[in-house]
Amino acid sequence: AQSVSQHNHHVILSEAASLELGCNYSYGGTVNLFWYVQYPGQHLQLLLKYFSGDPLVKGIKGFEAEFIKSKFSFNLRKPSVQWSDTAEYFCAVNPPNAGNNRKLIWGLGTSLAVNP
Amino acid sequence: GAGVSQSPRYKVAKRGQDVALRCDPISGHVSLFWYQQALGQGPEFLTYFQNEAQLDKSGLPSDRFFAERPEGSVSTLKIQRTQQEDSAVYLCASSPILGNEQFFGPGTRLTVL
Repeated sequence: AQSVSQHNHHVILSEAASLELGCNYSYGGTVNLFWYVQYPGQHLQLLLKYFSGDPLVKGIKGFEAEFIKSKFSFNLRKPSVQWSDTAEYFCAVNPPNAGNNRKLIWGLGTSLAVNP
Repeated sequence: GAGVSQSPRYKVAKRGQDVALRCDPISGHVSLFWYQQALGQGPEFLTYFQNEAQLDKSGLPSDRFFAERPEGSVSTLKIQRTQQEDSAVYLCASSPILGNEQFFGPGTRLTVL
C-alpha cells in the first residue's frame, strides 16, 4: 500500500546535539512534501514544505529538509537542537494526481525529547 | 486573525450515542479537511470539502460518519451510534484555494465509553 514511513518513533537528545528524522514515501510521480510539528498542548503547525525547485528546503526555527527523489526521502534536520524543540514531528505527503484535493497522507510521527 | 476553531474540545459519549463535532475554518478558506488521529498514530484523512461541495469522502470509515458544510464555511462531522473504536482526536484543517499549507484547529478529543 502507498504510505509514508517515519523511521524513528521516539528520539531523545541532549541540547546542542544534531537531529535528523527520516521520512520515506512510496508514491510515484510528483508529490508535495511537508513536515508539521506539534508542541505540547498546541495545534499542528507547518515547519516546512517542498513542492519543486531546490531540494534543500529551509523552514522555521532553524529546521531544514532535503528531498532526495531517487530515495523517495524527505529527511528533517537541525544542526543543534534546543529544549524548546521537544515536540511531535510528522511527515506528510500530498499524493500525486489529486488535483485540487490537497489531502495529506501522514507518517506515524516521531516524538522528540530534548534534555536540557 | 483568528485561526481554525473546533468545538467541543472534549467529548465523552456512551456507546451508541450520536455526536456532532464543529469546525470553524479561517475566514475565506475554500478548502476544509477532516482527519482522525488515534492515540500514538498520525492523522488519517476522512473527508475534503471545496466550499460546500464534499469532493472526497473516501476516508470516512463507515456509513455512521457523515460530514457537511452547507454554506461553505462552518463544517460539522457527525458520528452516529458511536463505538469504542471511534475514540480519537478529530482534527479540522482549512486552506486557501491557491495555498497548499493546511492550518489546523486544536482538535476535538472524543472518548466513547
